[in-house]
Amino acid sequence: ETGVTQSPTHLIKTRGQQVTLRCSSQSGHNTVSWYQQALGQGPQFIFQYYREEENGRGNFPPRFSGLQFPNYSSELNVNALELDDSALYLCASRAGLAGEQFFGPGTRLTVL
Amino acid sequence: AQSVTQPDIHITVSEGASLELRCNYSYGATPYLFWYVQSPGQGLQLLLKYFSGDTLVQGIKGFEAEFKRSQSSFNLRKPSVHWSDAAEYFCAVGDNNAGNMLTFGGGTRLMVKP
Repeated sequence: ETGVTQSPTHLIKTRGQQVTLRCSSQSGHNTVSWYQQALGQGPQFIFQYYREEENGRGNFPPRFSGLQFPNYSSELNVNALELDDSALYLCASRAGLAGEQFFGPGTRLTVL
Repeated sequence: AQSVTQPDIHITVSEGASLELRCNYSYGATPYLFWYVQSPGQGLQLLLKYFSGDTLVQGIKGFEAEFKRSQSSFNLRKPSVHWSDAAEYFCAVGDNNAGNMLTFGGGTRLMVKP
C-alpha cells in the first residue's frame, strides 16, 4: 500500500504565473486536505475535498482553487502567484471524514 | 477564532534527558488537540491526540501529553530523548477528533546534543 504522494517535489515560478500541484491519496482514502507551510511557520489549512466536493475552506483568497478527481487524487491551483505564496504545500488524505489523516512530503514552491 | 501558541521556537536537550514542549490553545468549545512531528523532507506524522477522557495521553515513540483545561495547555513530554527525536514539533487544534481543518502552532524545533 503506497502512502500519500505529491508532485512535483520542487517548483520555481515567477510572480503572476499560475501553478498546479498534485496529490495522490493513499489507497482507500476519499478525503484530501491541503495546507500551506511558509518557512519557519506551522501549516495553514487551505481547503478540504470529500468525494470530489469542497467541504471546508480556510482563510485563503479565491485564486487558490482545487479539484478532486473520481480516483480521489487532487490538484491545488494557484493563480496570479505572489512572492508570499512561496511555501511548502502539504497534502493529506484520510478515509471518510473520521479516519486518521496521513500527510504527504509536500511540494516546495518558490516564487521569484 | 481558535489559535495555538508554541512559546519555544527552539529547544536543545542532551540525549537521554527529559523533554517538555509547551503548547497553549484558544478554543471556544471542547478542544480536539494533536501533536505532530515533521522531520526534514518528510510529511507530518501524528504522535498523539486528545479529545476526551483521561487527560494524560500516550502516543507513539514514547511520547505523552497532558491536557490541562484550566491552563489551556497540552504539553508534550518524553522521559528520555533519543538523537532520532531531533525534528520540528507542531501542536494543533481541530474541530473534531479526526483532525479535520487543523489550526497549527508555529512549531518548536528540537535539537539533541550527543
